[in-house]
Formats: sequence, structure tokens, C-alpha cells
Amino acid sequence: DVKVTQSSRYLVKRTGEKVFLECVQDMDHENMFWYRQDPGLGLRLIYFSYDVKMKEKGDIPEGYSVSREKKERFSLILESASTNQTSMYLCASRTGGAGTGELFFGEGSRLTVL
Amino acid sequence: AQSVTQLGSHVSVSEGALVLLRCNYSSSVPPYLFWYVQYPNQGLQLLLKYTSAATLVKGINGFEAEFKKSETSFHLTKPSAHMSDAAEYFCAVLYSGAGSYQLTFGKGTKLSVIP
Repeated sequence: DVKVTQSSRYLVKRTGEKVFLECVQDMDHENMFWYRQDPGLGLRLIYFSYDVKMKEKGDIPEGYSVSREKKERFSLILESASTNQTSMYLCASRTGGAGTGELFFGEGSRLTVL
Repeated sequence: AQSVTQLGSHVSVSEGALVLLRCNYSSSVPPYLFWYVQYPNQGLQLLLKYTSAATLVKGINGFEAEFKKSETSFHLTKPSAHMSDAAEYFCAVLYSGAGSYQLTFGKGTKLSVIP
């Protein structure tokens, strides 16, 4: 079975803290993505990566950064967490190129910033 | 930019009734279209996808969707709802821009199934 694993299902952080969300996939996929999901807004793309050490901004990158040092791992970083970053964060991966575009998702990390 | 519109943020049906979830897209080229489902406290999983082959696409769990180019629609249906179908459903369109291929998601429709 294909698997995308997000290290933390639930996190509670304080305003100003640095937050790391980790995502690992075991499918040798080239492409990896970070989305945030908010009620009534659907999924919005934060950052994506086509290959190791490559990253591209999505639709809402402000306040976030990412790291992809290894093909299987894609990390989302909140340098200084704020309350408006309280959300569900979803990691996904996909094989390279356009392909079918099918994304495989992790189970999500629900972040609360107090 | 491409967009996806899901009509109705909440839909309620009785168990055994027809499920119809609506999705319209904007695209200047023939799109790839997807439906994903999200069960409570889980990530999204693929229900079905349209990739310019047959216009009627069958997916998992008895769901199907029909691509209608003239209506720019890709509505999701199931003849008879089960309690286990209660979930949130997302329509998505794949588009290319600046050399990359991205999925744009609709805002989701939460399906409730009434016993």
C-alpha cells in the first residue's frame, strides 16, 4: 500500500514558536505538496516541490517555508507561528510529470496556535 | 486561472436515496478532473478521475461521474446512499501553468446521510 505519513496528527503551539511539520512518502514520488484546509475554503496550496532541493510557492506561501533535503521527505516550517495559522495541514505526493495528477494524501496534521 | 465550483457546501440525503454532488469547472483546455473523499479525521483519497477517455467514469464505492463538456460539469452520483458515505467530497481540476501541473480544489461538499 502506498503511504504518506505525517509525523504529528495534533499539535498545540504558542504564538511566536517555530513549528516543523514533517511528511514522508514511501512511493519514490518526485512531487510533494503542502496544503492547508479550512472550513468553507477547501484546500489551498502552500508550497510544492518537484525534486530534491527544489521548491515552488503555491497560492498562500506567506508565513511558511519548506525543506526538501531527501526525496522522500518534505517539511513545512512556520518560522513564527500565529493564531491565523491554526488549521489542518495536509501533505501529498505524486509521481513526476503531469501523469494522471493523482495525489496521495497523508492523514493530516491539525495545528492549534494559542 | 482555473476554478472549480461545488454547488452546496452541505447536502443531506436519506439512506437509499440518490446522491448528487455538483461540480463545475472553468478551463480553456480539456481538463483532467477528479473527485476525492475525506472521511472524518482522515486525509483525502481518490474516488475517481476523468482523463479524456470515457465521459462516464466509475469509481470506488459505487460512485460515478459524468463529464459534460458543453456544461463544463463533472457531477458525482451514487444511486443509493449508505450511512458509510457520510463524508466531505472535493472536486478538483488539473491544469498546467508556468510549466507545472497543479490541482485546483473546490471548497468541498459535506454529505450527510439520514437513517
